[in-house]
Amino acid sequence: DAMVIQNPRYQVTQFGKPVTLSCSQTLNHNVMYWYQQKSSQAPKLLFHYYDKDFNNEADTPDNFQSRRPNTSFCFLDIRSPGLGDAAMYLCATSPYRFMDQPQHFGDGTRLSIL
Amino acid sequence: SQQGEEDPQALSIQEGENATMNCSYKTSINNLQWYRQNSGRGLVHLILIRSNEREKHSGRLRVTLDTSKKSSSLLITASRAADTASYFCATDAGGTSYGKLTFGQGTILTVHP
Repeated sequence: DAMVIQNPRYQVTQFGKPVTLSCSQTLNHNVMYWYQQKSSQAPKLLFHYYDKDFNNEADTPDNFQSRRPNTSFCFLDIRSPGLGDAAMYLCATSPYRFMDQPQHFGDGTRLSIL
Repeated sequence: SQQGEEDPQALSIQEGENATMNCSYKTSINNLQWYRQNSGRGLVHLILIRSNEREKHSGRLRVTLDTSKKSSSLLITASRAADTASYFCATDAGGTSYGKLTFGQGTILTVHP
């Protein structure tokens, strides 16, 4: 089945130690999104790629970076994680940006900071 | 700024009852979407309703949209224990933000067997 896969499901890192979360998709969608969802809160968009075009949200901390080496893969890099970065990170895709269509989500990576 | 506000924050019902969740938003939209999230999992798309539509159905789900009041509701009929989850509305403002979703805080639905 075509899907969005996030690895790992759970990630533990140390305060200040860089960490990378990965997302892959078999849907061949042009758009990939990264959301941060803290406990009992709404998902918050961090950035998205429309094909290779990177779009950062204005309030996304500089600590967060992203890479999309090809259509199928997208990575979220947190350069120096702080305790406030502990959250669920969700990857989503959609076929095209400028159309009315749903987003397809992975099951997320829950990041804990020690 | 927070686009969507959902009401109630939590809803507890018995199996077989109907569940209604409401969503209000602040700015004009291109479309509004509802998603379900089971505990510890990703979001699953339920229904997308465009700004020129007033009502949509999908199985036991009914969504209404009132753009004059900037509000939407999700009705789940004949609820089941498996419907227990968090439900989020999300708005797409269109224009330069087309394809970007802003989520409400969600309603936690518990359906008791």
